[in-house]
Amino acid sequence: KQEVTQIPAALSVPEGENLVLNCSFTDSAIYNLQWFRQDPGKGLTSLLLIQSSQREQTSGRLNASLDKSSGRSTLYIAASQPGDSATYLCAVRGDYKLSFGAGTTVTVRA
Amino acid sequence: GAVVSQHPSWVICKSGTSVKIECRSLDFQATTMFWYRQFPKQSLMLMATSNEGSKATYEQGVEKDKFLINHASLTLSTLTVTSAHPEDSSFYICSAYPSGSSSLEQYFGPGTRLTVT
Repeated sequence: KQEVTQIPAALSVPEGENLVLNCSFTDSAIYNLQWFRQDPGKGLTSLLLIQSSQREQTSGRLNASLDKSSGRSTLYIAASQPGDSATYLCAVRGDYKLSFGAGTTVTVRA
Repeated sequence: GAVVSQHPSWVICKSGTSVKIECRSLDFQATTMFWYRQFPKQSLMLMATSNEGSKATYEQGVEKDKFLINHASLTLSTLTVTSAHPEDSSFYICSAYPSGSSSLEQYFGPGTRLTVT
């Protein structure tokens, strides 16, 4: 059974600081990995998708890396803004479904 | 981008009644849709995988007679919570990926908040 762990569970930083969010998974036989953002009481917004054959993906201030052999992914958010405050979820796709981590709740202080 | 909608966004019902939640893919067809539930401060748990024109596949521990899923078309899946009880109160989220997608990138709906009194 795939286990996905996200560390830290919560993070508070001043505006402008770079964010580093970690995700680890136990079974390296994955199809892809997605990073999502969830605002309180809302659904999920897909941020980045990394296929198993890829090492990283970038979108604007966001960069996600994937090391499948070690079962790790890292999401970097550059120059954080108060609007980046949310919960960030990592999910890995195995045979047919996504397995989610518990998330990292980020607070960016103005 | 691909958009998934859910209706209603929130619902309150009395214990013992049934409630139906709709999930629609607005700009793509989806052979497969997924239903999740999320308790406060917890992550998403997959309840079932819904396939158009066939029976849903339920995850271990999910009562299929209580959570009825119907995927009648390539753009609509419904989840009916039958004889709801307070412990069914939760945030229900659906998702889908476009039919024929090679990336299998999943798109999520905005969620439905169910409160059973």
